[in-house]
Amino acid sequence: EAQVTQNPRYLITVTGKKLTVTCSQNMNHEYMSWYRQDPGLGLRQIYYSMNVEVTDKGDVPEGYKVSRKEKRNFPLILESPSPNQTSLYFCASSLAGGIGYEQYFGPGTRLTVT
Amino acid sequence: GENVEQHPSTLSVQEGDSAVIKCTYSDSASNYFPWYKQELGKRPQLIIDIRSNVGEKKDQRIAVTLNKTAKHFSLHITETQPEDSAVYFCAASRSTGRRALTFGSGTRLQVQP
Repeated sequence: EAQVTQNPRYLITVTGKKLTVTCSQNMNHEYMSWYRQDPGLGLRQIYYSMNVEVTDKGDVPEGYKVSRKEKRNFPLILESPSPNQTSLYFCASSLAGGIGYEQYFGPGTRLTVT
Repeated sequence: GENVEQHPSTLSVQEGDSAVIKCTYSDSASNYFPWYKQELGKRPQLIIDIRSNVGEKKDQRIAVTLNKTAKHFSLHITETQPEDSAVYFCAASRSTGRRALTFGSGTRLQVQP
């Protein structure tokens, strides 16, 4: 089954404790991205990747890191989480970046930073 | 960077009525405008999209219109049904250069039976 998976689905952590949210897709998609969703603010792109070893900042990259060492995986790293990073996070992938390509979203990861 | 504004933030209609959601964008280089639907507790899913060389696109009860000069685009849902109740997001991106996808803040549509 074609899908985007994220782990963990739920995470409660404390300020400053490094964490990684994994994202994997099995559709051989080139483009992958991370979004955070907050009430009233919609979906905001954190980082995206056009292909292996090619990443770029989205609209809200501060406090986050990503890497794209393999085509199928695109982990999101929070080196020192803070309470303002409490949010619902979605990973997404598409065949390519730009015009005409549907983004397939993962199930979401709800992160709480206390 | 791109800025997408979406209105209204909430919309309540009676079953069978039409619903219209409007978005404006700032980057004149944006040329792809998708719409995503997110049901409660679910992930967003693409429902329709439009490219800048097209003024209107329809898919059954859903249509999207684009005015490139005014930099705005709209989602039209006709004959609304309770299952149309969800949050709808518009978005914009470009096909060259920076390929970020910028979303609007969302519209919560409630269809009253």
